[in-house]
Amino acid sequence: KAGVTQTPRYLIKTRGQQVTLSCSPISGHRSVSWYQQTPGQGLQFLFEYFSETQRNKGNFPGRFSGRQFSNSRSEMNVSTLELGDSALYLCASSAPGSGANVLTFGAGSRLTVL
Amino acid sequence: DQQVKQNSPSLSVQEGRISILNCDYTNSMFDYFLWYKKYPAEGPTFLISISSIKDKNEDGRFTVFLNKSAKHLSLHIVPSQPGDSAVYFCAASGRNSGGSNYKLTFGKGTLLTVNP
Repeated sequence: KAGVTQTPRYLIKTRGQQVTLSCSPISGHRSVSWYQQTPGQGLQFLFEYFSETQRNKGNFPGRFSGRQFSNSRSEMNVSTLELGDSALYLCASSAPGSGANVLTFGAGSRLTVL
Repeated sequence: DQQVKQNSPSLSVQEGRISILNCDYTNSMFDYFLWYKKYPAEGPTFLISISSIKDKNEDGRFTVFLNKSAKHLSLHIVPSQPGDSAVYFCAASGRNSGGSNYKLTFGKGTLLTVNP
C-alpha cells in the first residue's frame, strides 16, 4: 500500500512568487491535513479537508490556501511568498474510523524562499 | 500561546537504559494525546496514543503515562536502542478542534540520542 506522496520534495522560490504543493493521500483516506514545520515553531496546523470541504483552518494568513479534489488528492498554495514561509510542509491523511487523530504523514515538501 | 510544551529540546541516553520524554499541556479541552517520531528527511510516524479516560497505555517497549491533574504526559522507552534516535513530538487534540479529530496541536519536539 503506497504511503502519502508529496511533490515536489524540494523547491526554491523568491519573495513575491507563489507556490503550489501537491499531496496524494493513502488510497481510501478521505481526510487530508496540512502542517508547516519550522525550527522555531515546530509543527503548526494549516488546514484539513474532507470530501473536498475544508473542515478546519489554522491561524495562518489568507496567502495560504488549499483545496481537495474528488479523488481526495489535495493541493496547497502560498501566494506572495515571504522569507518566513521557508519551511517543511507536511501533508497527512487519515482513514475514516481509524481511531481519532492518527495521521499518516508524507515526507514533506521543503520550501526555501530567497 | 503554546498549548503543548516539550521543555527539553534534547535528551541523550545510553543503549539499554530508559528514555523518558516529557510533555505538558495547558488546554483542558484536550482529550487525546499522541506521540510521533521523526527521522531526518522523513515525515513523522505515529508511535503511541492515549485517551484522557486512561492514565497509561503500553505498546511493546513504549509506554505513555498521562497525569490529567498535572496536565502532563510522558513517554517511556525501555530498553532504549540506537535506532530510537529521532525527534519525538507530543501532540494533542480535543473538543476545541472545530469538530474535527484531525487537528493536532504539536509540541516543538525533543531530539533523543541513544548512544551505543
